[in-house]
Amino acid sequence: DARVTQTPRHKVTEMGQEVTMRCQPILGHNTVFWYRQTMMQGLELLAYFRNRAPLDDSGMPKDRFSAEMPDATLATLKIQPSEPRDSAVYFCASGLAPGQTNEKLFFGSGTQLSVL
Amino acid sequence: KNQVEQSPQSLIILEGKNCTLQCNYTVSPFSNLRWYKQDTGRGPVSLTIMTFSENTKSNGRYTATLDADTKQSSLHITASQLSDSASYICVVIPTDSWGKLQFGAGTQVVVTP
Repeated sequence: DARVTQTPRHKVTEMGQEVTMRCQPILGHNTVFWYRQTMMQGLELLAYFRNRAPLDDSGMPKDRFSAEMPDATLATLKIQPSEPRDSAVYFCASGLAPGQTNEKLFFGSGTQLSVL
Repeated sequence: KNQVEQSPQSLIILEGKNCTLQCNYTVSPFSNLRWYKQDTGRGPVSLTIMTFSENTKSNGRYTATLDADTKQSSLHITASQLSDSASYICVVIPTDSWGKLQFGAGTQVVVTP
């Protein structure tokens, strides 16, 4: 089964360290999303790409977060420097757009980040 | 203010019983409304997708309804199973912004034996 792959599954780091999360979207999907999920806020959009070009990153703290797609098979989300408030689960999702209105969005299993 | 509100926040039901989850939204216009199931430690998985013109959509024991006039949707789970224990998230996609999915906070369902 095709699926979105995220690495690492878990990351524990100290405040101030750089964190890099990786995502391999489903082959052929042209849209990639990064979301953050916390108990308090639910799922929040950080950034999304279409055909590797960033379309919206307004949900991302620009001073410390950056998202890139070096190629069609890899999306990265970096936090530098990390802070305890960044602790959350980060999800990557991929899909086809604009496509049909019933196009599914497929989520990875997430990266559980803990910043101490 | 969140444009997608879900209720209840959580519920506990006995195995074999039915339950209904609610979703009220203010997103307008919208192209489709989706229900996702999220198991603990996993990413959300799509259950149903309804366009604004559809009233109901089923996926096995899951049935979603949509009333675009009152801006309400519901997800009905029939004959619940232990594996139905999860968070159920309502998502509305604006017509003019496919990438800006509007997520509800989810309803946490616990099915007990």
